[in-house]
Amino acid sequence: GAGVSQSPSNKVTEKGKDVELRCDPISGHTALYWYRQSLGQGLEFLIYFQGNSAPDKSGLPSDRFSAERTGGSVSTLTIQRTQQEDSAVYLCASSRGALFDEQYFGPGTRLTVT
Amino acid sequence: QKEVEQNSGPLSVPEGAIASLNCTYSDRGSQSFFWYRQYSGKSPELIMSIYSNGDKEDGRFTAQLNKASQYVSLLIRDSQPSDSATYLCAVKGGGDKLIFGTGTRLQVFP
Repeated sequence: GAGVSQSPSNKVTEKGKDVELRCDPISGHTALYWYRQSLGQGLEFLIYFQGNSAPDKSGLPSDRFSAERTGGSVSTLTIQRTQQEDSAVYLCASSRGALFDEQYFGPGTRLTVT
Repeated sequence: QKEVEQNSGPLSVPEGAIASLNCTYSDRGSQSFFWYRQYSGKSPELIMSIYSNGDKEDGRFTAQLNKASQYVSLLIRDSQPSDSATYLCAVKGGGDKLIFGTGTRLQVFP
């Protein structure tokens, strides 16, 4: 079946602009996660959705970052007033949502802020 | 103290050898452990999950978990050049998020 998809695959934006990143999880997966991976750094958790609710937003680095999920499916991560330090690969993962379930990653969106 | 620690490597092994990758974690209450493989420029790909103490084998891969020592490892038998990648250890933290180590770079040379 289809895996997690993300769009766009690459995004170059100017400092101060807003960007929207999209994630389409595996069909039937109720849990959706956003992570960020900066050059040479590990993966950093941003936010987690169970259905349309976000019980854990603890990883969002500032109030410029927000995310929503609609219909228990597609999620959008929005970064307002982008800064150069926001440059990273943004990865989305989904899982069935059970306690022990594995998370499967999409291909990521590479964001470059100039 | 980092929550999930891995040696960054590189770990260099000859083709056909066993590669041993190690990971320690700090949260004694952790229940779920995962190994991901990440090729350069690609996203992480799940290799193994392990939840109980002991060994779990899948093809050339064996995951080992020792909760008392807070230690999880991945063995790759008959290593191939195509196994050359960064291997990420992940532990499921509170709220279902994964906490990742910084990864061990594996190089398998012919």
